[in-house]
Amino acid sequence: DTEVTQTPKHLVMGMTNKKSLKCEQHMGHRAMYWYKQKAKKPPELMFVYSYEKLSINESVPSRFSPECPNSSLLNLHLHALQPEDSALYLCASRRKRGGVDTQYFGPGTRLTVL
Amino acid sequence: QQQVKQSPQSLIVQKGGISIINCAYENTAFDYFPWYQQFPGKGPALLIAIRPDVSEKKEGRFTISFNKSAKQFSLHIMDSQPGDSATYFCAASRGRGSTLGRLYFGRGTQLTVWP
Repeated sequence: DTEVTQTPKHLVMGMTNKKSLKCEQHMGHRAMYWYKQKAKKPPELMFVYSYEKLSINESVPSRFSPECPNSSLLNLHLHALQPEDSALYLCASRRKRGGVDTQYFGPGTRLTVL
Repeated sequence: QQQVKQSPQSLIVQKGGISIINCAYENTAFDYFPWYQQFPGKGPALLIAIRPDVSEKKEGRFTISFNKSAKQFSLHIMDSQPGDSATYFCAASRGRGSTLGRLYFGRGTQLTVWP
């Protein structure tokens, strides 16, 4: 089973709203990632959690706040977003086996900021 | 700085033809090269991957060719089908040397296979 689930699938929010994106995996992977993807572009790394600790923050604005409550769950809290933050937000988890890294992506949350 | 360069940006192939997408990298510390396939509105899905200790890997109609000395690798899709129409991303990472497995993506190739 290589499934990463994300909720919600779609989210529309105003610039003053507070919302959260959720990501879940039950594969026992200990590294989880948030990416932002704009149309016709590759995924752009935002945050990396390793063993529930934030390991990489790619200079993401503070209006994005990640949280890793446990090894299976990853949240992205959103507050005071801008229209240019509209994008597909992807979560991924990583399996490392025999020196080979594999990242498995969820289906994404399509975010629209009005 | 783009760590992985991918070409072409878009590719149109007839059904049954061969699709070829090329990637190049500079960082010799990379030791894992996956290809991801992404359909509109979906997350990227791992298609096939290669380590630099082999020159070719084949899985069904998909083949990766790897040239370590030239620091290039390519994806070949044999007998291309309309269902292969998607965006393909090559990527690279430092599997053995990294605890975080960060992926460096190419810019992507939009493949269209005409019936």
